[in-house]
Amino acid sequence: EDKVVQSPLSLVVHEGDTVTLNCSYEVTNFRSLLWYKQEKKAPTFLFMLTSSGIEKKSGRLSSILDKKELSSILNITATQTGDSAIYLCAVEGNTGNQFYFGTGTSLTVIP
Amino acid sequence: ETGVTQSPTHLIKTRGQQVTLRCSSQSGHNTVSWYQQALGQGPQFIFQYYREEENGRGNFPPRFSGLQFPNYSSELNVNALELDDSALYLCASSKPGPNQPQHFGDGTRLSIL
Repeated sequence: EDKVVQSPLSLVVHEGDTVTLNCSYEVTNFRSLLWYKQEKKAPTFLFMLTSSGIEKKSGRLSSILDKKELSSILNITATQTGDSAIYLCAVEGNTGNQFYFGTGTSLTVIP
Repeated sequence: ETGVTQSPTHLIKTRGQQVTLRCSSQSGHNTVSWYQQALGQGPQFIFQYYREEENGRGNFPPRFSGLQFPNYSSELNVNALELDDSALYLCASSKPGPNQPQHFGDGTRLSIL
């Protein structure tokens, strides 16, 4: 059964801390792994990682894909209160053209 | 560039009723996927539409059905509503093909009484 597991489920940090969120997957015929940020409603796209692009960076956020370990991490440095959100990991397989989502990591950044 | 829009924002129904949710895809996107997100859970894939045909389906019963129109907008229909159908229903659009990120609308919050 295809599945995506994220850890930790929740995290509380102080502003300025660095956090690492984890995502592991078992998905048939892996195509890509995506990270999203969900605050109130719509998940907002952050990164897509594929076999040809295993590392992405944007400002204080960065992500790495480890295809050997079937996992990915999302790093956020110098956290701000605006980073408080649920971070979702999704993996695309080529069975049914679907994306499998994890349950998310709830990040709370306190001043 | 117009993003993904969904309607209505909120909806309250009772068990046994039927509901139709609507989605307009982002400009330039012709693939639409629907997800159900229960409280505290990640989105669960319902199905995907491409060129007005169902192009993949998750583990949902046949009472969940959909349509895609020539302008790429889409509908999700749910018959014989059950209490467990209460959730946020998200629509996501993307360009066709693999390795294309999906962009989400704000969702429709459906409550079943």
